[in-house]
Parts: sequence; structure tokens; C-alpha cells
Amino acid sequence: AQSVTQLGSHVSVSEGALVLLRCNYSSSVPPYLFWYVQYPNQGLQLLLKYTSAATLVKGINGFEAEFKKSETSFHLTKPSAHMSDAAEYFCAVSASSSASKIIFGSGTRLSIRP
Amino acid sequence: EADIYQTPRYLVIGTGKKITLECSQTMGHDKMYWYQQDPGMELHLIHYSYGVNSTEKGDLSSESTVSRIRTEHFPLTLESARPSHTSQYLCASSEARAQNYGYTFGSGTRLTVV
Repeated sequence: AQSVTQLGSHVSVSEGALVLLRCNYSSSVPPYLFWYVQYPNQGLQLLLKYTSAATLVKGINGFEAEFKKSETSFHLTKPSAHMSDAAEYFCAVSASSSASKIIFGSGTRLSIRP
Repeated sequence: EADIYQTPRYLVIGTGKKITLECSQTMGHDKMYWYQQDPGMELHLIHYSYGVNSTEKGDLSSESTVSRIRTEHFPLTLESARPSHTSQYLCASSEARAQNYGYTFGSGTRLTVV
């Protein structure tokens, strides 16, 4: 079975500061990992995904995430926050089986201070 | 450019009314999903389908029903709306190997039952 835990339901950073959103996963098989972003009154948009290729994954809008098997983590980072990054972010995990569904974390709300 | 469409975007309706939330995708995806998302952000899977004439209940019990008569169409119906049904409903779809590509989400329907 797979699960994800997002540490911190709300993260606030200053504009221009580093963004770090934490995600730890649990999986009995090699996982596939995703980060999604949700802007107000919108659906979820895929930011990036890890599918067992490079451990450092680059996504849209300057975000990246690093898969660390030893730490069972897939934290999302961005070097310099922009006001437009304010949104809700979801980490998600899936197994390699075609019957597997994607399991979503509970989400982290990112606020950007001017 | 959205490949999965949800209508209506917003709906305010009285208690006891029957409603159908529409979801259509143009990508030929076999798998489709309905999520309920409350203000606390967490996504709850309420229904899913792996193909025509295939529907399953999700992790969260729901009084809604779904049908999958055509590949591209996955409507959700509430026979008698109640204030407890007030929520955002998100539709998603994926290729057969969802773990490789992730889900594509619609923009959501925000339902308010008064």
C-alpha cells in the first residue's frame, strides 16, 4: 500500500525567499511520485513527476523536487518565491501496477508575503 | 487548453433538487475519477471508472451515483441534494498506466446547496 504525508498544512515565505514544501512517502514497491498545484477555484495541475529516471526532477514555474530513497522523501523546492506561487500544493504517490490509483496527500497551502 | 471539461463551474441549488454534474474528456482516456474536496483542501475519491460500463465506489462514501456509457463522458448525479453536499467536485482522467503520466483534472464544479 502507498501513502504520502505532507508536513505542514500551511507554509508562509517572503517574496524572493526559498520555498520548501515537504513530502514523505510510504510504498512497498518502487513508487511513482507527483506534485500538483491548485490555484483558487481551479482543478489540479501537474507540476512535476518522478518515474524512476533522474532523481532530481524539474517542473514548471521553476519548481523542482528530489527523490531520496533513503529518506523516503520527495520535497518540492523553488529558489525564489514569487507572489504568483501562492496556491495549494499536493504531493501524490502511485505504484507501478496499472491497477494502482494515485494517492494524494492532504495538501500544503503556500502563502507569499510581500 | 483544457482537455477535460466540467459543467457547470458554479451551481447554487435548493435542498431536495436532483442535479447532474457533467464531466467530459477528449483524450480517449479509459480511466476517470470523481473527487470531493472540502474547504480543508483534502481530496476524497468518491467514484472511479476503468472503462465503459465499469464504475466503482471510492474511499469516501457518497450518496451520489455515476454512469459510464461512453468513454468520454462520466456524469455524477445527486438524486436529492442536501446542504451536506456543499463542496467542490473535481473530475479527472488518466491513461491506462496512470502511474506513469498522472491524472488530468478538470476545473471543478463548486456546488452550494441551500
